[in-house]
Amino acid sequence: EAGVVQSPRYKIIEKKQPVAFWCNPISGHNTLYWYRQNLGQGPELLIRYENEEAVDDSQLPKDRFSAERLKGVDSTLKIQPAELGDSAVYLCASSMDHNYEQYFGPGTRLTVT
Amino acid sequence: KNEVEQSPQNLTAQEGEFITINCSYSVGISALHWLQQHPGGGIVSLFMLSSGKKKHGRLIATINIQEKHSSLHITASHPRDSAVYICAVSPGNQFYFGTGTSLTVIP
Repeated sequence: EAGVVQSPRYKIIEKKQPVAFWCNPISGHNTLYWYRQNLGQGPELLIRYENEEAVDDSQLPKDRFSAERLKGVDSTLKIQPAELGDSAVYLCASSMDHNYEQYFGPGTRLTVT
Repeated sequence: KNEVEQSPQNLTAQEGEFITINCSYSVGISALHWLQQHPGGGIVSLFMLSSGKKKHGRLIATINIQEKHSSLHITASHPRDSAVYICAVSPGNQFYFGTGTSLTVIP
């Protein structure tokens, strides 16, 4: 069974440019999470979806970050415009629902120059 | 204020040693997770537990709900166990992560 798929794995952009990350969760997993992980720190939840509904986006910087999960399957996280402080690893995870174990993707390492 | 505190932050052990990583939390939880992250790699979920003890191979996780404390033990440690081990708790719909314990096992 395929795990959580993310792309791209690495992205380098200049500040003020837009960037998008894509995540395809494990088939049948209703819950999808986007996390941001800064170097030397634990992951920080950005947004959680239950099917196509964003049920927790309290930590998402809404002035520049947006996310969508059309049809309740794969998801896209966008940053526009990117800032230097956005450099981090962006992790996607999925679970059958929020009470179940999470499975993480490999992450996208973003570098903003 | 960190809802989840891990200790130690860094740990170096000789191959074969018994290793313990500790996690304390300050919120009521429905579950506690132990995760493993290799350098440059993704995160793997090791355990999800809400009470008692779980064992998988050489890994053992315990939790004491009353004391709000969990431990991850690695028996007969091996260099391939070198990774960052992260404790996370979920009080309902939220998740709080510790900053991780970086483990290096020397041959």
